[in-house]
Amino acid sequence: EAQVTQNPRYLITVTGKKLTVTCSQNMNHEYMSWYRQDPGLGLRQIYYSMNVEVTDKGDVPEGYKVSRKEKRNFPLILESPSPNQTSLYFCASSLGPINQPQHFGDGTRLSIL
Amino acid sequence: AQSVAQPEDQVNVAEGNPLTVKCTYSVSGNPYLFWYVQYPNRGLQFLLKYITGDNLVKGSYGFEAEFNKSQTSFHLKKPSALVSDSALYFCAVREAGNTPLVFGKGTRLSVIA
Repeated sequence: EAQVTQNPRYLITVTGKKLTVTCSQNMNHEYMSWYRQDPGLGLRQIYYSMNVEVTDKGDVPEGYKVSRKEKRNFPLILESPSPNQTSLYFCASSLGPINQPQHFGDGTRLSIL
Repeated sequence: AQSVAQPEDQVNVAEGNPLTVKCTYSVSGNPYLFWYVQYPNRGLQFLLKYITGDNLVKGSYGFEAEFNKSQTSFHLKKPSALVSDSALYFCAVREAGNTPLVFGKGTRLSVIA
């Protein structure tokens, strides 16, 4: 089954404790992206990747890092999480960046205390 | 920069009645327009897209959308609403080139039996 898998689905942690949210897709997609969803703000792009070893900032990259060492994986790293990063996070992938629909994971709900 | 507006936070409709979820956009060039749906505790699912061609686009689950260039709108429609259509709907737009996919804030659709 074609899918985007995120782990963990839920995480409660404390300020300053480094965490990684993993994202993996099995569709051989070149384009991958991370979004955060906040009430009243819709989805905002954090980082995206056009292909292996190619990443770029989205609209809200501050406090986040990503890497793309393999085509299928695109982890999101919070080196020193803060409470304002409490949010619902989605990873997405698509064949291309422009006119291809994105496939989304089921989300990761992060709470930073 | 591109932007998208969903003027209604909530739309209520009776089962069996037609539904419309509104979306307007702003881009400097030709738009690529998308509609996604989000069910509780799930990621976004692609419904339909407009890239070029016929202004009336048909998508999944009986949904369709009409591209209106003069009004810069891309409203989502369905002739007969089902209770199972109740969800959060997002309109998204991007331009050609290395530009992000920009999402609206979402419209919550409630279909009442």
